Amino acid sequence: EAQVTQNPRYLITVTGKKLTVTCSQNMNHEYMSWYRQDPGLGLRQIYYSMNVEVTDKGDVPEGYKVSRKEKRNFPLILESPSPNQTSLYFCASSYSGVRDEQFFGPGTRLTVL
Amino acid sequence: AQSVTQLDSQVPVFEEAPVELRCNYSSSVSVYLFWYVQYPNQGLQLLLKYLSGSTLVKGINGFEAEFNKSQTSFHLRKPSVHISDTAEYFCAVSDFYGGSQGNLIFGKGTKLSVKP
Repeated sequence: EAQVTQNPRYLITVTGKKLTVTCSQNMNHEYMSWYRQDPGLGLRQIYYSMNVEVTDKGDVPEGYKVSRKEKRNFPLILESPSPNQTSLYFCASSYSGVRDEQFFGPGTRLTVL
Repeated sequence: AQSVTQLDSQVPVFEEAPVELRCNYSSSVSVYLFWYVQYPNQGLQLLLKYLSGSTLVKGINGFEAEFNKSQTSFHLRKPSVHISDTAEYFCAVSDFYGGSQGNLIFGKGTKLSVKP
């Protein structure tokens, strides 16, 4: 089944404790992206990757890191999480960019205490 | 910088009534426009998109949208809604001329609530 998977689905952590949210797709897509969703703010793009080893900042990259060492994986790293990073995070992928349909993962709900 | 405004945060409507969800974007030379839908506790799903060509775009589940360049709008319409259309709808824009083909800006969303 074609899908985007994220792990973990739920995470409660404390301020300053480094964490990684994994994202994997099995559709051989070139493009991958991370978004955060907050009530009343819609989705905001954090980082995106047009291809392996090519990443770029979205609109809210502060406090996040990404890497794209393999085509299928695009992990999101929070080096020192803070409470304002409490949010619902979505990973998405598409064939070659935003003009193609993006397939979204199920989301990761992160709480930073 | 590109921005998207969804004019209504909530739209209540009765079943079988028509609905229009409004979306405006800031002016740009060339844009791609999208509507995504999010059903409760799920990820987003593409409803339709405008890349070029005909300004009337048809999508899944009977939805359509019209690109109006002069008014910088991309309103979503459905002539007769069902209970199952209850969801949050997001308009999104990509400024592929001034920006990159990876950047996507979403509106804040419109919650459509269909009542029996």
